[in-house]
Amino acid sequence: SQTIHQWPATLVQPVGSPLSLECTVEGTSNPNLYWYRQAAGRGLQLLFYSVGIGQISSEVPQNLSASRPQDRQFILSSKKLLLSDSGFYLCAWSPSGRKNTEAFFGQGTRLTVV
Amino acid sequence: TQLLEQSPQFLSIQEGENLTVYCNSSSVFSSLQWYRQEPGEGPVLLVTVVTGGEVKKLKRLTFQFGDARKDSSLHITAAQPGDTGLYLCSLTGTYKYIFGTGTRLKVLA
Repeated sequence: SQTIHQWPATLVQPVGSPLSLECTVEGTSNPNLYWYRQAAGRGLQLLFYSVGIGQISSEVPQNLSASRPQDRQFILSSKKLLLSDSGFYLCAWSPSGRKNTEAFFGQGTRLTVV
Repeated sequence: TQLLEQSPQFLSIQEGENLTVYCNSSSVFSSLQWYRQEPGEGPVLLVTVVTGGEVKKLKRLTFQFGDARKDSSLHITAAQPGDTGLYLCSLTGTYKYIFGTGTRLKVLA
């Protein structure tokens, strides 16, 4: 069966520090991968998605970047965090090449920038 | 960018009451999904609707896709405390999921 792992679960970082959140998927190949950010109690904002290794699409201009160094690994990064980067970050995957399939989410990382 | 509006934003009801939440867009959906999210966790899929006018039932939950495929509703019958959570609708395509603004439901025992 497929599983998705996201870490860390919580993170407190000072303003101006770098960020690296990692997400890995097991049990499938060539998944579509996603990074979302969620403000408290609200909907999910799509930040990045990837349909293959090295292919990253950015949905909103921001202080963040994403990379996909391996087929099932997706990394969210920042060189210098801002207070506005605080939020709940969710990684997700979906099967490639198929429409109307389910998106499977990780447990999320709650990031607080202080 | 297509925007999905959900209403109401917040809903607090007593156990046993019925409720309906809505998801609307100015554009036509090709398909739509409903997810439920509990605090501190990722969303989990409830249903996918594809055909205009489609109705799907999942125990006490009834999902409807508008005839014009621009709106959807979720009706819960006899709500229970376990229904508490954030309900999200999502536009789906081959590889992209755009989520609505969410409805936060609290069912009081």
